[in-house]
Amino acid sequence: NAGVTQTPKFQVLKTGQSMTLQCAQDMNHNSMYWYRQDPGMGLRLIYYSASEGTTDKGEVPNGYNVSRLNKREFSLRLESAAPSQTSVYFCASSITGSADEAFFGQGTRLTVV
Amino acid sequence: RKEVEQDPGPFNVPEGATVAFNCTYSNSASQSFFWYRQDCRKEPKLLMSVYSSGNEDGRFTAQLNRASQYISLLIRDSKLSDSATYLCVVNRISGTYKYIFGTGTRLKVLA
Repeated sequence: NAGVTQTPKFQVLKTGQSMTLQCAQDMNHNSMYWYRQDPGMGLRLIYYSASEGTTDKGEVPNGYNVSRLNKREFSLRLESAAPSQTSVYFCASSITGSADEAFFGQGTRLTVV
Repeated sequence: RKEVEQDPGPFNVPEGATVAFNCTYSNSASQSFFWYRQDCRKEPKLLMSVYSSGNEDGRFTAQLNRASQYISLLIRDSKLSDSATYLCVVNRISGTYKYIFGTGTRLKVLA
């Protein structure tokens, strides 16, 4: 049972480089989310997708773009990485996003130098 | 002010102790409530959902007070394996449902 799978697990980027974080879930969930976690800040929502074909901004969307490729996959793109984007990124999914449990991937540790 | 606030701790307690964590939320439109557990350098995992009537799962008891916008988690007979960060989470609809996390409370259970 894979659940939510994120790739890569670790990444080091130079300032100005771009990259895409991949996320896939095999639970047939409708809603998917991207969070970042920084010390003392908790998990903050970057973008979310309530269903296939829709995406919306969360609390901290600046510097990021997302694509809900299909029901299974939700990618996060950094077009021009900045040191402030050094963080741990978590992808999550839930059936509908209401009273349902959200399941998380193992996270991507990103360092921008 | 953060939408979901928790005491960051750390709470250092001896094995066998009872420990309580509190959480307040500011948005009265919040609809669902959860406690998640996060081990060091791991992803958050659901510990338990929180219902208005209160609910219990073994050594863990969660309470919700909607009038005061307050959520609590009680851990009885603490084990070493309970050492983790406990995240308070609320889910509200604002166009669509979103999970809003508190910053977490660190617990260390000491032998």
